[in-house]
Amino acid sequence: SAVISQKPSRDICQRGTSLTIQCQVDSQVTMMFWYRQQPGQSLTLIATANQGSEATYESGFVIDKFPISRPNLTFSTLTVSNMSPEDSSIYLCSVVARDRGKAGEQYFGPGTRLTVT
Amino acid sequence: AQSVSQHNHHVILSEAASLELGCNYSYGGTVNLFWYVQYPGQHLQLLLKYFSGDPLVKGIKGFEAEFIKSKFSFNLRKPSVQWSDTAEYFCAVKGGGNKLTFGTGTQLKVEL
Repeated sequence: SAVISQKPSRDICQRGTSLTIQCQVDSQVTMMFWYRQQPGQSLTLIATANQGSEATYESGFVIDKFPISRPNLTFSTLTVSNMSPEDSSIYLCSVVARDRGKAGEQYFGPGTRLTVT
Repeated sequence: AQSVSQHNHHVILSEAASLELGCNYSYGGTVNLFWYVQYPGQHLQLLLKYFSGDPLVKGIKGFEAEFIKSKFSFNLRKPSVQWSDTAEYFCAVKGGGNKLTFGTGTQLKVEL
């Protein structure tokens, strides 16, 4: 299984600023995903980060608000831009396993807890 | 579009009681189904999955789930819960592509 780390683990930010969240995986993966978990709610997919091409955003999420980089097969960043209190959430990075026997399984990082004041 | 419904939002059980958490999904094609668990202060972990074959799948820590295609259900069960099973449980479905759609989660509290 893949080991995923995220930085920062938590942050408190001012309204109007931006925060970049990093996701590092211990093995090469084709697809990485960014999810959001708002307080008391379930996980919602923000976008799929593909190496070598633009990220694919889900309905309701736009690149200007959540720009994503994917410079190589083990790393991705998600930026939350021009933040408002409604952006207070846990942001999670996720990857799909490539191991034989675990294909299709999806693993999650520890998350970044963001509070916007 | 795929969707997942978890009917129990909060469940409180005594140790050794049996557990069944409901999960229903909506998707017209072939699905992969998952249960994830999030223990307090920890990140999401995969409990079990169904891709194909035997509709009764067994996962870690004594959990199992049964895929009933006619009912679009994938309920999670455990015959005897332990205090350490206190956690939030998420059902998830993957239809076409790699997009996972999650249910709203069930908060399970097991009392001694």
